[in-house]
Amino acid sequence: NAGVTQTPKFRILKIGQSMTLQCTQDMNHNYMYWYRQDPGMGLKLIYYSVGAGITDKGEVPNGYNVSRSTTEDFPLRLELAAPSQTSVYFCASSAPMNTEAFFGQGTRLTVV
Amino acid sequence: QQQVKQSPQSLIVQKGGISIINCAYENTAFDYFPWYQQFPGKGPALLIAIRPDVSEKKEGRFTISFNKSAKQFSLHIMDSQPGDSATYFCAASGGATNKLIFGTGTLLAVQP
Repeated sequence: NAGVTQTPKFRILKIGQSMTLQCTQDMNHNYMYWYRQDPGMGLKLIYYSVGAGITDKGEVPNGYNVSRSTTEDFPLRLELAAPSQTSVYFCASSAPMNTEAFFGQGTRLTVV
Repeated sequence: QQQVKQSPQSLIVQKGGISIINCAYENTAFDYFPWYQQFPGKGPALLIAIRPDVSEKKEGRFTISFNKSAKQFSLHIMDSQPGDSATYFCAASGGATNKLIFGTGTLLAVQP
């Protein structure tokens, strides 16, 4: 049972480049989330989805986009990378109504 | 009203001692309070969680104490071990979307 899988694990981008962070889960969870983690700041919610075709903004959505075409997949798109997007990104999934959220291993992104 | 404040930022405890991490919240609509443990290079993993209808929950060496009137909750790690050395995050959520609001984290080091 793989849980939540994120790819890639590491990536270096140049300013202005784009990329997609992939996230897939095999637990049939309706809810999926993208967080970014910066030193001393905890985890901040970027976007979330409560089901296929439904997405909404979190606390820090600027510079990012998401889509949710299937229950399993929730990719995060960076269109014009900026140094402020250097961070560790975590994808998570959960069942409805405040149950455990399962996190992936993270993607460490550096924008130079 | 969405903030969760966590202290201390870092903590050093001797093996066998008690580790205590505190969190405070503002939003009275929160009804789920988990603690996550994160090891370097890994995603956060649920350690223990509590709902506001109880004042304490214990699982092995880990205990959550919850004070609804003060809007505070804390994690106690009894008989702390070097293997407990990690970053601990408190979080809170409420409503149908299960969006977690995280504290800023506590880096715990248990010295042998």
